[in-house]
Amino acid sequence: LAKTTQPISMDSYEGQEVNITCSHNNIATNDYITWYQQFPSQGPRFIIQGYKTKVTNEVASLFIPADRKSSTLSLPRVSLSDTAVYYCLVGPNQAGTALIFGKGTTLSVSS
Amino acid sequence: NAGVTQTPKFRVLKTGQSMTLLCAQDMNHEYMYWYRQDPGMGLRLIHYSVGEGTTAKGEVPDGYNVSRLKKQNFLLGLESAAPSQTSVYFCASNLAGAGTGELFFGEGSRLTVL
Repeated sequence: LAKTTQPISMDSYEGQEVNITCSHNNIATNDYITWYQQFPSQGPRFIIQGYKTKVTNEVASLFIPADRKSSTLSLPRVSLSDTAVYYCLVGPNQAGTALIFGKGTTLSVSS
Repeated sequence: NAGVTQTPKFRVLKTGQSMTLLCAQDMNHEYMYWYRQDPGMGLRLIHYSVGEGTTAKGEVPDGYNVSRLKKQNFLLGLESAAPSQTSVYFCASNLAGAGTGELFFGEGSRLTVL
């Protein structure tokens, strides 16, 4: 499984765009990249998933360069409610794989 | 839809006691996982299951046993609880074969071992 590396923490202000980068140098050909958000005392919840280039949904964008050795989660115009821990998860499109999370990035948004 | 339900949500044990955490999902998911999360730390995979009757070890399996007798249920057992097992336990499930697939998590079970 590809090991992931993220910044431990990031600070931002309301209304700013936040970009969180995840490094996964040994990503395999059949690996997908998935980001999760976790609030205190809750289980993580899915944000976005991608394989290459750019993926966008109603809450975030995911940018993946051609070599796929890193990915960037982009949160547009963050608010106080975006304060959470964000995890990057890399894993293959195949049955029965252990899904190993990294340490995550704690994002703190201030007013 | 209830999604992923964990029982109990809170439990206090004495060292050496045993207990079982139940995870139930109503989404007909093939895969189920048990994670633990210590204060201020990330999620660590304990055991997982790729289908009824199958289980596999994750990153930190020692001191835990699991069973998947029914597709919708995944049980995590502690035979002899230790203070080091004080943690929040999360169960998750997902479908087969859709990338890593969206993992659906339960609300967590907070276990304290005295």
